[in-house]
Amino acid sequence: GESVGLHLPTLSVQEGDNSIINCAYSNSASDYFIWYKQESGKGPQFIIDIRSNMDKRQGQRVTVLLNKTVKHLSLQIAATQPGDSAVYFCAEHLYNFNKFYFGSGTKLNVKP
Amino acid sequence: GAVVSQHPSRVICKSGTSVKIECRSLDFQATTMFWYRQFPKKSLMLMATSNEGSKATYEQGVEKDKFLINHASLTLSTLTVTSAHPEDSSFYICSASKARGYGYTFGSGTRLTVV
Repeated sequence: GESVGLHLPTLSVQEGDNSIINCAYSNSASDYFIWYKQESGKGPQFIIDIRSNMDKRQGQRVTVLLNKTVKHLSLQIAATQPGDSAVYFCAEHLYNFNKFYFGSGTKLNVKP
Repeated sequence: GAVVSQHPSRVICKSGTSVKIECRSLDFQATTMFWYRQFPKKSLMLMATSNEGSKATYEQGVEKDKFLINHASLTLSTLTVTSAHPEDSSFYICSASKARGYGYTFGSGTRLTVV
């Protein structure tokens, strides 16, 4: 399988601060990337996605940046809230195989 | 839109019995669904790709006779854990998409405990 890794296994931030979660992917042929949030005991929840022909995409309080040169993906969360506390996964999609491979996850702790 | 329902959310079964988990796309048709397994504090591991009307494609190391997948319709895929053992205890999650390479939605997961 392909390898998708995360630089930081845990991240603690103060409520109101911005959070940045990083991810490295290994396959330059990946065409699509998704960030998911997973709360304890629940399935992953879609946050934001980005295609390989883009380098930035913004959602509500979240921004995903894609740097294909170094195969790096990041998720930025603005004004982090306690409800953002969860594990965040990045996933890369290999179009030819129609499969997603997930990174190891980063746990985000938001301190009130 | 793009809701995926997974049932049951929790199941406890005795060792040696079989358990069936259902994954339904409620408001869209999914020719392909995916089954994942997740261990505590670990990432999602792709087990198999479920293809409507044909055999599932299993990832390397996943026993197809242990984890039976059936995708009988465009809205339903089932995963049956046969002759379950305690080591099969895990969180199983399905996902589906309207189209290839398009936003994949996950079910809420099934916590399987084999005693």
